[in-house]
Amino acid sequence: DGGITQSPKYLFRKEGQNVTLSCEQNLNHDAMYWYRQDPGQGLRLIYYSQIVNDFQKGDIAEGYSVSREKKESFPLTVTSAQKNPTAFYLCASKQGSGNYGYTFGSGTRLTVV
Amino acid sequence: QKEVEQDPGPLSVPEGAIVSLNCTYSNSAFQYFMWYRQYSRKGPELLMYTYSSGNKEDGRFTAQVDKSSKYISLFIRDSQPSDSATYLCAMSGVGGAQKLVFGQGTRLTINP
Repeated sequence: DGGITQSPKYLFRKEGQNVTLSCEQNLNHDAMYWYRQDPGQGLRLIYYSQIVNDFQKGDIAEGYSVSREKKESFPLTVTSAQKNPTAFYLCASKQGSGNYGYTFGSGTRLTVV
Repeated sequence: QKEVEQDPGPLSVPEGAIVSLNCTYSNSAFQYFMWYRQYSRKGPELLMYTYSSGNKEDGRFTAQVDKSSKYISLFIRDSQPSDSATYLCAMSGVGGAQKLVFGQGTRLTINP
């Protein structure tokens, strides 16, 4: 079945550590997105990529980094510069020309301990 | 002011009730309007989508868009306990590169 796989489902980070969240899709979608979800704030865009080897900052990119070396993969690194990283992180993808066809992964819950 | 405003609730109604969920927005460039349903600890799934103004019906769900008032609604008829979830409105402008802007989400509980 086609879809988006995010791993791990739960992740614990110590203060000062960098952690990387995985996102893989087998939908052959061109565009991929990372969102952060906090209670009562909806989804906020961190980074997005329209094509391989290219990506743009979203609304809350500070403290995060991404890469897009392969079409199917868009990993997100939460760096130690991110002051409040505890949140639910969602990866999504869509075909480049469409406006509706966003597919989301099941998310990664990141907690700072 | 946020581009998209949505009452976060929580909203609790008895089974069988009609539920009305709403969002307002400020960006007149928005043309595509969507409703996502998100169960606890899961990713959002697309429930309904409309282009520009008008109504769209799919089973027990009806989506309405009033662009003159910058107001969109989702109605759920004969609500079921399985409808209990967080409902997120989302919208974007024209063009594949347009970003999707989400409301805060409304947490809905249908009581048996």
